Amino acid sequence: GAVVSQHPSRVICKSGTSVKIECRSLDFQATTMFWYRQFPKQSLMLMATSNEGSKATYEQGVEKDKFLINHASLTLSTLTVTSAHPEDSSFYICSARVRASAVGQYFGPGTRLTVT
Amino acid sequence: GESVGLHLPTLSVQEGDNSIINCAYSNSASDYFIWYKQESGKGPQFIIDIRSNMDKRQGQRVTVLLNKTVKHLSLQIAATQPGDSAVYFCAEIDQGAQKLVFGQGTRLTINP
Repeated sequence: GAVVSQHPSRVICKSGTSVKIECRSLDFQATTMFWYRQFPKQSLMLMATSNEGSKATYEQGVEKDKFLINHASLTLSTLTVTSAHPEDSSFYICSARVRASAVGQYFGPGTRLTVT
Repeated sequence: GESVGLHLPTLSVQEGDNSIINCAYSNSASDYFIWYKQESGKGPQFIIDIRSNMDKRQGQRVTVLLNKTVKHLSLQIAATQPGDSAVYFCAEIDQGAQKLVFGQGTRLTINP
């Protein structure tokens, strides 16, 4: 149980274009999902907290107009990187809490974004 | 600001030996800690967790020790195997905001 998937696993896009990454909870409903970014040889940094049916909460320094988050259902959250630039190239990872009362999070396999 | 960090960025051990990965945290209000394992190109995988009202918790081949006095957390892996090669992160829960704060990570490599 508690499986989180991401799609795509890898994506290459041209500078200036937008790319959407999907995060799905496969066998449970997730009222809260989280989006992280991880640069090579670095730790995971939280970008935003995505709550079903409401606006995402962004961490300080993360541009909400650039990283659009939609959590339209209890099993799906999407992250859209708009007007991507090479510096946005990174490993994007989502996670979900199994229950609203749960403390721990289960992570997706990550999406490698390369902007050329 | 408050942070969770690790003493060593890399650790190399012989196959079959025990591994000990350390983590220092600075937020004394944190009351829940998790160790994650991340293999190359994959998302973090839950290993074991511990609440602050405990000082030790054991799993299969892994043990987490918590010393609140010195704000130190460690992960012990018994009889380290090649499949244990990965980066290990400790993380604390910010209970107020329910957010995970990750440490810097330690890369564990296994020598045959």
